[in-house]
Amino acid sequence: NAGVTQTPKFQVLKTGQSMTLQCAQDMNHEYMSWYRQDPGMGLRLIHYSVGAGITDQGEVPNGYNVSRSTTEDFPLRLLSAAPSQTSVYFCASSSPIRNEQFFGPGTRLTVL
Amino acid sequence: ELKVEQNPLFLSMQEGKNYTIYCNYSTTSDRLYWYRQDPGKSLESLFVLLSNGAVKQEGRLMASLDTKARLSTLHITAAVHDLSATYFCAVESGSNYKLTFGKGTLLTVNP
Repeated sequence: NAGVTQTPKFQVLKTGQSMTLQCAQDMNHEYMSWYRQDPGMGLRLIHYSVGAGITDQGEVPNGYNVSRSTTEDFPLRLLSAAPSQTSVYFCASSSPIRNEQFFGPGTRLTVL
Repeated sequence: ELKVEQNPLFLSMQEGKNYTIYCNYSTTSDRLYWYRQDPGKSLESLFVLLSNGAVKQEGRLMASLDTKARLSTLHITAAVHDLSATYFCAVESGSNYKLTFGKGTLLTVNP
């Protein structure tokens, strides 16, 4: 199993550009989440999903969209990137059977 | 709104010494997690604490949970340099695995 994979690893955008951060898991987990990590802030929840077709907002959802058409994939979209979205983004997945959340390797995003 | 506070935020230790990291949270929780993060890396799961009085140990690290006090501790015994990292606690509220993280404790173990 590859676990949780994220692409790309690094990305530089200009203000106003759009892009999609990809996240996939091969563990058949129902729950998937997106977090952002900023220095001194810990990780903050952006959006989460409890299953295919079901998504909801977390603590800092503004400027981000998500969808969950399959169990495996949970992409995060930035429609119009802003410098405040410069951060490291982590995707996570979990199952109600296992008491553990698995984190992907992260995407480091810089918005100029 | 669930708030999670860790302290200290920075901890510089000598090898061989003991120390404790504290994690306080503001509302009733179902689970508490401890993670380790090395620079530029992802989060590595250390412990999941599920009930009051839970204690888990792995090597030189021991985590405990007091749900009545809304407090978890991560105790480091006889620190070694390899334990240098940032440690996060995270609290789950509700049943959908949403985590609220503390700000992290940057641990540096000096020889």
